[in-house]
Amino acid sequence: DQQVKQNSPSLSVQEGRISILNCDYTNSMFDYFLWYKKYPAEGPTFLISISSIKDKNEDGRFTVFLNKSAKHLSLHIVPSQPGDSAVYFCAASATREYGNKLVFGAGTILRVKS
Amino acid sequence: DTGVSQDPRHKITKRGQNVTFRCDPISEHNRLYWYRQTLGQGPEFLTYFQNEAQLEKSRLLSDRFSAERPKGSFSTLEIQRTEQGDSAMYLCASSLIFGTGADTEAFFGQGTRLTVV
Repeated sequence: DQQVKQNSPSLSVQEGRISILNCDYTNSMFDYFLWYKKYPAEGPTFLISISSIKDKNEDGRFTVFLNKSAKHLSLHIVPSQPGDSAVYFCAASATREYGNKLVFGAGTILRVKS
Repeated sequence: DTGVSQDPRHKITKRGQNVTFRCDPISEHNRLYWYRQTLGQGPEFLTYFQNEAQLEKSRLLSDRFSAERPKGSFSTLEIQRTEQGDSAMYLCASSLIFGTGADTEAFFGQGTRLTVV
């Protein structure tokens, strides 16, 4: 039972263009969403988060959008840089039910071509 | 380095042997989580502690797995009688939870890669 789904295993984008990574969830109890970035042989690194009371959160080149009615969130990276090439994980938590533990998607491999 | 530290980084063991991993969280963090990641999948929750209390264990955590966090500081994850299916990356994360129930984002260590042969 995959509660968090990242349906695109990989994405290839030209340097300078926008990267859009998508994530869908099924559990309506989720109220906090995060994106993590992972390089090979390293642990996931926190990138950006959004609470369910918001529909957008921006941090520099990274913006996360949340559509609660569609149970969908997306991460926009603009402009994309070669150093952004990594695996991106979407994660969700239900703060009252699950003790803030994270439920992760399977990840999307982003390749930014120079 | 004040991040989450895990030891060892890599472990190769024969099937049936016991292994133990250690995690040192960020010092002021009171929540500590263990996750497991297999190839092509995202991390899966195993268990978590608030201070020294183990508050939840996933169904993924069979009886062969045990975790401790004595004194609410470092944590150990032990796997007894390892099986080939235990081969995975074991990740530790920590966060600081406030009295309101809100917490900081989880900071992950670099993980311990276990290979059971």
